Amino acid sequence: SQKIEQNSEALNIQEGKTATLTCNYTNYSPAYLQWYRQDPGRGPVFLLLIRENEKEKRKERLKVTFDTTLKQSLFHITASQPADSATYLCALDSGNQGGKLIFGQGTELSVKP
Amino acid sequence: EAGVTQFPSHSVIEKGQTVTLRCDPISGHDNLYWYRRVMGKEIKFLLHFVKESKQDESGMPNNRFLAERTGGTYSTLKVQPAELEDSGVYFCASSPLLGLGDTEAFFGQGTRLTVV
Repeated sequence: SQKIEQNSEALNIQEGKTATLTCNYTNYSPAYLQWYRQDPGRGPVFLLLIRENEKEKRKERLKVTFDTTLKQSLFHITASQPADSATYLCALDSGNQGGKLIFGQGTELSVKP
Repeated sequence: EAGVTQFPSHSVIEKGQTVTLRCDPISGHDNLYWYRRVMGKEIKFLLHFVKESKQDESGMPNNRFLAERTGGTYSTLKVQPAELEDSGVYFCASSPLLGLGDTEAFFGQGTRLTVV
């Protein structure tokens, strides 16, 4: 069955460093992959979308890579700030072209001042 | 512009009771999705509306769950009768109807349902 795995442990980093989060998937080939941010008690908020024919995408301090051979996406936050502390979710399209997403469990990021 | 709104934000009900969750998507968004996160698990898809039609309800757990979207605007998700394992956070998301569906989804804040 389709499976998505994100960093199982929480990630703790120092302010100013680069945070790198991993999303690995098995048993299918998504057309696109999305990253969301979720704060406690709130719904997920869209950050970036990357398509299968794109290797890398950037938005301000965020960078996403997508390696369809390794079946992996890396999500980077450069010059991290305490305000970046949140849970980050990887979501892949289900392949039915309807926008249905399959989510990973998320990685909790904590940026210390 | 108002985002996706969900009501109520919290609901505590007894096993066997009925609960109805409501979602108001962003105006003009034809796609409406329901997702659920149970304790310790990932967010899982429940179903997808395009306007008032159910496009995909493959994630609905069982026939105790009924979703409607009359008129293609707001949607309701009714659980009847509720069971303990239905506890979790129910999210609604909406997106415009474009191409292959690879657009960002806008999520509501969720409804936390606790069945006791």
